[in-house]
Amino acid sequence: LAKTTQPISMDSYEGQEVNITCSHNNIATNDYITWYQQFPSQGPRFIIQGYKTKVTNEVASLFIPADRKSSTLSLPRVSLSDTAVYYCLVGDRFLMDSNYQLIWGAGTKLIIKP
Amino acid sequence: DGGITQSPKYLFRKEGQNVTLSCEQNLNHDAMYWYRQDPGQGLRLIYYSQIVNDFQKGDIAEGYSVSREKKESFPLTVTSAQKNPTAFYLCASSIGGQGSEAFFGQGTRLTVV
Repeated sequence: LAKTTQPISMDSYEGQEVNITCSHNNIATNDYITWYQQFPSQGPRFIIQGYKTKVTNEVASLFIPADRKSSTLSLPRVSLSDTAVYYCLVGDRFLMDSNYQLIWGAGTKLIIKP
Repeated sequence: DGGITQSPKYLFRKEGQNVTLSCEQNLNHDAMYWYRQDPGQGLRLIYYSQIVNDFQKGDIAEGYSVSREKKESFPLTVTSAQKNPTAFYLCASSIGGQGSEAFFGQGTRLTVV
């Protein structure tokens, strides 16, 4: 199973673009890259998912280079409410196997300052 | 609105008692999961179920039990055998495998007193 590595914490300011990079050197051919956001005492919330190149939705963009060994979550024009922990996960979307378990790291604690 | 409902939000338990955490979903998802989260840590898988009447142990299943009698429901029992049960418990569901988009409940914070 692919393990991910993210910065433990990051700071930024309101209105800035924030980029959080995740390393996943052992990503498998069938793996997708998924990012979640979690506020204190709440369940994680799906942000974005991608396989290669670039994916964009209404809240974020995900950039994945050709070798897929890393990915970057980009949050445009952050606000104070974007302060949260962000998790990067790598896994097969379709495999249902009792021996297959995703690994959740500690995530990146993003603090947005006024 | 479709989603996952966990109850209660806060739960206190005396040592030696079993306690059951509720998780209900109306998303029509086949797969459901229970995770444990400790302060400053990521999520760790306790149990998951791919289909009704079937479930698999995760990394930290010892001291926990589950049932999946209905597609919508996946209750978790924290037994007295769990040595350190105080934690934040999260239930989730997905339409595909673990790598697909998961929908999480709001969590149950269990405190052993």
